[in-house]
Amino acid sequence: EAQVTQNPRYLITVTGKKLTVTCSQNMNHEYMSWYRQDPGLGLRQIYYSMNVEVTDKGDVPEGYKVSRKEKRNFPLILESPSPNQTSLYFCASSAHHGTSYEQYFGPGTRLTVT
Amino acid sequence: GQSLEQPSEVTAVEGAIVQINCTYQTSGFYGLSWYQQHDGGAPTFLSYNALDGLEETGRFSSFLSRSDSYGYLLLQELQMKDSASYFCAVSLPYGGSQGNLIFGKGTKLSVKP
Repeated sequence: EAQVTQNPRYLITVTGKKLTVTCSQNMNHEYMSWYRQDPGLGLRQIYYSMNVEVTDKGDVPEGYKVSRKEKRNFPLILESPSPNQTSLYFCASSAHHGTSYEQYFGPGTRLTVT
Repeated sequence: GQSLEQPSEVTAVEGAIVQINCTYQTSGFYGLSWYQQHDGGAPTFLSYNALDGLEETGRFSSFLSRSDSYGYLLLQELQMKDSASYFCAVSLPYGGSQGNLIFGKGTKLSVKP
C-alpha cells in the first residue's frame, strides 16, 4: 500500500530535550516536506526537500532541522524544543509529473512540549 | 509576503451546492491546489489547477482565474461526509522565502441534514 508513515504519532516532552520525528514514504517520491498545523493558522511549511541531499527552508524553519540522506526518509529534528513548538506536524511527499502537485500526507504527529 | 484568503466557515444542507472561494496575494505561482481534511485526519488532495478555467472531478470542481487572483472549489450534491475543512494552496518556485507551498487558513464546511 502506497503510504507516508510518521513516528511517533503522539509525543509529550520537556523543553530542551532533543527529539526526532521520523517520516518515510514507499512511493519513490522525489519531493518531501514538513508542515505544522496550529488552530486558526492552517498548514505552514517548515522545510522541504527536492531530492536526496537537497533541502530548503519553508515559511517557519526556526528551531527545526531536517536531513535527506535517503530518498524514502525525511526526519524532522528539534534540537532544543520549546513550548511554542507544541503543534500537529505532518510530513508529505509527492512525485513531480507534469502539472500535478498532488501531495500525500502522513497521519500526523501531535507534539506537546512542556 | 504571499497570502491566501478563504472564508473561515460555511454551512450548507445535504444535496445542495456550495462554493468555497480563495483569493490570493501572490504572483509567479505554478498552480492552485485544494485539500480536504476531516477532523483528526490528514489532508487529502482534491484537485489542482495549473491553467485558468474549470477542472472537474466527480462531484468536485475547481476553478482558477489568474487575472482576478481568485479561485474556488465547487462541491455539488453535498453529502454529510463532505463536512470537513478545505484548504487552498499555491505552489511556488523553489528557493522562495516562504517555502514552495503556501496554504490558506482553511474553510470549515458543515453539512446539515
